[in-house]
Amino acid sequence: DSGVTQTPKHLITATGQRVTLRCSPRSGDLSVYWYQQSLDQGLQFLIQYYNGEERAKGNILERFSAQQFPDLHSELNLSSLELGDSALYFCASTRGSLPSSGNTIYFGEGSWLTVV
Amino acid sequence: QQPVQSPQAVILREGEDAVINCSSSKALYSVHWYRQKHGEAPVFLMILLKGGEQKGHEKISASFNEKKQQSSLYLTASQLSYSGTYFCGTRDTGNQFYFGTGTSLTVIP
Repeated sequence: DSGVTQTPKHLITATGQRVTLRCSPRSGDLSVYWYQQSLDQGLQFLIQYYNGEERAKGNILERFSAQQFPDLHSELNLSSLELGDSALYFCASTRGSLPSSGNTIYFGEGSWLTVV
Repeated sequence: QQPVQSPQAVILREGEDAVINCSSSKALYSVHWYRQKHGEAPVFLMILLKGGEQKGHEKISASFNEKKQQSSLYLTASQLSYSGTYFCGTRDTGNQFYFGTGTSLTVIP
């Protein structure tokens, strides 16, 4: 158990809908990262938050947004869903702003999103 | 901008060594390595920062050549537990993160 909690574990929804994925980081971790893993696109970094502020942005679509709340949990909002958004969405956390030799990045078990 | 990994797949016998390479077209600030087993989340192995080389685990080490924008992961005396897909992750000097194409490693008895 990495200590990073993601909900829901599985989600099936229709095209055009909106979903919210939730992530609780490890206790004491200030950074939250979101990743998407799909068969055709592999593993992609979406966005990072550090202590409530956006820190780095990757290949995140405009239809997607995220935020980190004062209690440090984070939510990834996916809207106007398309079939191609079907993927495994991982959240990860670190204590500091970047992984380092003394600052391991821990992943949650992921949220499986299926868009039908 | 996605780093290219080679080989795409490798099969080893227990005790053999392997090298996985990661090559980027952009100037890099750091390289991370991860292992992912089927159906599980990735596990962070180590990070290499510009200007340094880092050893993360006993028999798994890595190097980072900043000038060539390349990193290599070395697995020595492989064990069955090393099987999985290995990804490199890169952070370039523009603070963009990318994952490599992945290398499937299978260790057989």
